[in-house]
Amino acid sequence: GAVVSQHPSWVICKSGTSVKIECRSLDFQATTMFWYRQFPKQSLMLMATSNEGSKATYEQGVEKDKFLINHASLTLSTLTVTSAHPEDSSFYICSAPPGAYYNEQFFGPGTRLTVL
Amino acid sequence: QQQVKQSPQSLIVQKGGISIINCAYENTAFDYFPWYQQFPGKGPALLIAIRPDVSEKKEGRFTISFNKSAKQFSLHIMDSQPGDSATYFCAARYHSGAGSYQLTFGKGTKLSVIP
Repeated sequence: GAVVSQHPSWVICKSGTSVKIECRSLDFQATTMFWYRQFPKQSLMLMATSNEGSKATYEQGVEKDKFLINHASLTLSTLTVTSAHPEDSSFYICSAPPGAYYNEQFFGPGTRLTVL
Repeated sequence: QQQVKQSPQSLIVQKGGISIINCAYENTAFDYFPWYQQFPGKGPALLIAIRPDVSEKKEGRFTISFNKSAKQFSLHIMDSQPGDSATYFCAARYHSGAGSYQLTFGKGTKLSVIP
C-alpha cells in the first residue's frame, strides 16, 4: 500500500511556542491531504483538508489562525501549531488518498505533541 | 447526519473466538465503508473495506457484513489472536462538497484477546 510519513514522531514544547509537523506521501502524489487530531482513548476528528496550491479547508470549530496548514508540494503538507498551549497536546495524524479516483486514505504514523 | 455509531466500546474475547464489532449510520450518501486497526501510539491502518452494493467481503480472518436496508455493517474477526488486540474504528466516506471525499469515524472499539 501507499506510504505516508510524519515528522517528528513526537515533540515536547513550551507553552507559547510554535511547532511544525510534516506529512509526506513517499510513493505517490497527493493533491489532497487530511489532518486529524486524536485525544487519548477517543476517535479521530478531522481538523482540516489540505489542498495543494490552494488554501486549506478547516472544519467547524478549528481555528485557522492557530493551526496553519501549507500544502507546499504534491508530496508535502505541514501543520503548524502556533502559540501552543497545554490544551493543544494531542496526537496529530495526517492521511492522504493515493489519487483522484481513490477509495482508501492512507494514514501517517502520527505525531504526539506535548505542550508544557 | 455524518455520524457513524459504533459498538461495543470495548470487547474481551478468548483466543480462538470470534470478535464482532457493529456500526450503524443514517446518511445514505455514504459510499464506502472502511475499517481501521490502530495500535497504541500508531496511526490507523486500513484493515478491510466494503462498498454498499456488496453484502459481504472476506479477507483472511476478517469479514465485513453489510446490511444496506438496515444501514448497519459489522466486522467479524474469526479465530481471534492476542496480536489482534487493538482499537478498531469503522468509518464511512462522503463527498464533502468542497471537491474531496472525507471520512467520518466511529468512536472506536478496544479489543482485548486473552490467551
